[in-house]
Amino acid sequence: AQKVTQAQTEISVVEKEDVTLDCVYETRDTTYYLFWYKQPPSGELVFLIRRNSFDEQNEISGRYSWNFQKSTSSFNFTITASQVVDSAVYFCALTGDEGIQGAQKLVFGQGTRLTINP
Amino acid sequence: DGGITQSPKYLFRKEGQNVTLSCEQNLNHDAMYWYRQDPGQGLRLIYYSQIVNDFQKGDIAEGYSVSREKKESFPLTVTSAQKNPTAFYLCASSTGYGEQFFGPGTRLTVL
Repeated sequence: AQKVTQAQTEISVVEKEDVTLDCVYETRDTTYYLFWYKQPPSGELVFLIRRNSFDEQNEISGRYSWNFQKSTSSFNFTITASQVVDSAVYFCALTGDEGIQGAQKLVFGQGTRLTINP
Repeated sequence: DGGITQSPKYLFRKEGQNVTLSCEQNLNHDAMYWYRQDPGQGLRLIYYSQIVNDFQKGDIAEGYSVSREKKESFPLTVTSAQKNPTAFYLCASSTGYGEQFFGPGTRLTVL
């Protein structure tokens, strides 16, 4: 069975600090995909990144960066120089190669509530 | 603008009633999904559909039903058999293994 664990339930930092959100996953599939989504107070999930299991290169997008390590089954997310607008709930998610064409069954972690204080 | 719309935003239901949540997308995506989110928890998959006239149960399908008569539409009915329906419901769509795009959600409260 697939599982995603986000051990940090809540994180609170002061603006401009760097913050890392942890994500650990479990899967028996050799091909799988990892995602990060942001859920602002409005409730709608916003896609941040998708990574497949064969691509372990780290990704950087502005102040956001992701560290994918298959050896530790982790896909951590770092926000550099955090801003108040980064306050949200962040979800890590996983889908495997279940042989289903055209659809994916995402398994979500519990989410980490990030609060950036001015 | 392309996107996913869900209606209503807030829905109140009396115990014993069935209610239907609407989800429409104009992204031309083949796959559509329904998730349930409870406070402080992640999303759990209720139903998903790969193509028109086909849908599959997710992890928590009991007490729910869906239909997929049109590519653009994937309504979810919360039946009276659902023991604890109060939750936030999110609809999503995708193409293949691309990322899922989510709607704004419907907050259902049982009175």
